[in-house]
Amino acid sequence: DADVTQTPRNRITKTGKRIMLECSQTKGHDRMYWYRQDPGLGLRLIYYSFDVKDINKGEISDGYSVSRQAQAKFSLSLESAIPNQTALYFCATSDSHSYQETQYFGPGTRLLVL
Amino acid sequence: QKEVEQNSGPLSVPEGAIASLNCTYSDRGSQSFFWYRQYSGKSPELIMFIYSNGDKEDGRFTAQLNKASQYVSLLIRDSQPSDSATYLCAVNIRNSGNTPLVFGKGTRLSVIA
Repeated sequence: DADVTQTPRNRITKTGKRIMLECSQTKGHDRMYWYRQDPGLGLRLIYYSFDVKDINKGEISDGYSVSRQAQAKFSLSLESAIPNQTALYFCATSDSHSYQETQYFGPGTRLLVL
Repeated sequence: QKEVEQNSGPLSVPEGAIASLNCTYSDRGSQSFFWYRQYSGKSPELIMFIYSNGDKEDGRFTAQLNKASQYVSLLIRDSQPSDSATYLCAVNIRNSGNTPLVFGKGTRLSVIA
């Protein structure tokens, strides 16, 4: 079973709709992240959470919100989707007690906003 | 601004050759360095990490770190077509407190059979 799961894996939505992307992990890690990836732009950090009560904006948080429902769950919401939010979205986790603090990625959600 | 720079490529090497991927970083407080491989449409997967100056070898992969010159490289020996992917360099800046990894934009490697 995958340690970091994302649902849905693919989503098509229309401009103006609210959608939620979900991430769950069984790794027991305390830190979780949301990234988007666009061709040629690399991974860009949207939001990150270092524990259940800690939420931080990344470099491109406008138009997004997050919820850390439990240590194992971190959801990303697009309040009113727009076409330029079409991208590949990744969730990642890391363990702050590990010196290297490697990030482990989920399989990704491909989002298309029409 | 903490930056991690990589040549976007594509870097083309013949099968069996050594592929050399480079990464430079701006913050001298950087502590840990990671190489991820990402196939098209897939998620990044960790190849290896390094935090001490010098070389670290794992199978066909060798990471090299030079903190004085602020660069980290990844060598892939006996390159195979299956190594064709984008390679992401990431840096952990521990000295600045709670900061997520900073990723480079990646270098696309193409191994020609």
